[in-house]
Amino acid sequence: KAGVTQTPRYLIKTRGQQVTLSCSPISGHRSVSWYQQTPGQGLQFLFEYFSETQRNKGNFPGRFSGRQFSNSRSEMNVSTLELGDSALYLCASSSLALRADTQYFGPGTRLTVL
Amino acid sequence: DQQVKQNSPSLSVQEGRISILNCDYTNSMFDYFLWYKKYPAEGPTFLISISSIKDKNEDGRFTVFLNKSAKHLSLHIVPSQPGDSAVYFCAASLDQGAQKLVFGQGTRLTINP
Repeated sequence: KAGVTQTPRYLIKTRGQQVTLSCSPISGHRSVSWYQQTPGQGLQFLFEYFSETQRNKGNFPGRFSGRQFSNSRSEMNVSTLELGDSALYLCASSSLALRADTQYFGPGTRLTVL
Repeated sequence: DQQVKQNSPSLSVQEGRISILNCDYTNSMFDYFLWYKKYPAEGPTFLISISSIKDKNEDGRFTVFLNKSAKHLSLHIVPSQPGDSAVYFCAASLDQGAQKLVFGQGTRLTINP
């Protein structure tokens, strides 16, 4: 079974730009969560989507948004990029069993904001 | 406000010995705890979990201990192997079904031959 895929793997943007990251979950998984990983903060929860609906949201500003499509693929958008948005963005998919330990993570998208 | 803390950014252990990774949390509402392992250029992979109704869970070389009164959990790896060298994250959630995980900052474990 193919794992979680994220595209692109690396991205360089400048301050003020906007960016869209994509996540394809494991086949059959309907829950997709997004996390931001920075050296000082570890992994921080951004939001979770299930069946095209945002079910949970972390403490991030409105510049961070997401959506999920009917095929469970998800996109994350960051508008008006700031230097502090430089991070590894990870998505995780989960089965309908809705157990926290069934989350499978993708390799991440490394975003650098200059 | 860091609700889950891993105070040791790095740990070095000799091959064959025991590795002990520690994690503290502040939110007493956390009900489920997990450990993840992360290699460079890969996403975290689930290792082992424990519910708050237990104080110990074992899976092969990995054992997680939970001390609710101290709000502390630890991961023991015995014996440590070179392939265990990775960054380890502890995480907590409000219940077993919650997809929103609160992670610690991670501890880089290096196993020396």
